[in-house]
Amino acid sequence: GENVEQHPSTLSVQEGDSAVIKCTYSDSASNYFPWYKQELGKRPQLIIDIRSNVGEKKDQRIAVTLNKTAKHFSLHITETQPEDSAVYFCAASIISSASKIIFGSGTRLSIRP
Amino acid sequence: DVKVTQSSRYLVKRTGEKVFLECVQDMDHENMFWYRQDPGLGLRLIYFSYDVKMKEKGDIPEGYSVSREKKERFSLILESASTNQTSMYLCASSLPRGSNTEAFFGQGTRLTVV
Repeated sequence: GENVEQHPSTLSVQEGDSAVIKCTYSDSASNYFPWYKQELGKRPQLIIDIRSNVGEKKDQRIAVTLNKTAKHFSLHITETQPEDSAVYFCAASIISSASKIIFGSGTRLSIRP
Repeated sequence: DVKVTQSSRYLVKRTGEKVFLECVQDMDHENMFWYRQDPGLGLRLIYFSYDVKMKEKGDIPEGYSVSREKKERFSLILESASTNQTSMYLCASSLPRGSNTEAFFGQGTRLTVV
């Protein structure tokens, strides 16, 4: 079955700097890679996703890149702000009628003022 | 707005009790999931269901079962609760295909087994 590994487990960056979180997956059939943000005490919410027919996707300060050959995908946050502090989860799944969504172990991102 | 609602925010149960966690979604999603969240371990899939009465084991199904008698409701059952099942449980739902396959989560149930 699918296995998703996520690194680092914790990340502290200066406000205004960039943050990068990396994930690898094992199942070459996976074709959908979402990223979720979980603020303290709240439920995870989707912030960006990418499908396997695209190598990069951006949404304002957030971008995700995908390397299907290497089975790597990464989240990039630029110009970090205090409200970016949260736990981030990557995930992998197959868009089909019956597909699990397998999550990574999470990255706790802290933004230093 | 999609709403995924879990029946309890906090539960305290005794070892050996049978525990039911309920989840209801209002967006006609085919897929529903149960995860447990533990520090440092992320979101681990317990079971998922892709249709009424259909279920598949996730990565950690031992000690759990599920029931999906209606499309909107997915129940997680702890047959005989144990202290190592103390955790945060999250339910989610999604569409299996299409332009929006985002998974929507419930607010979570923090279960303590004493």
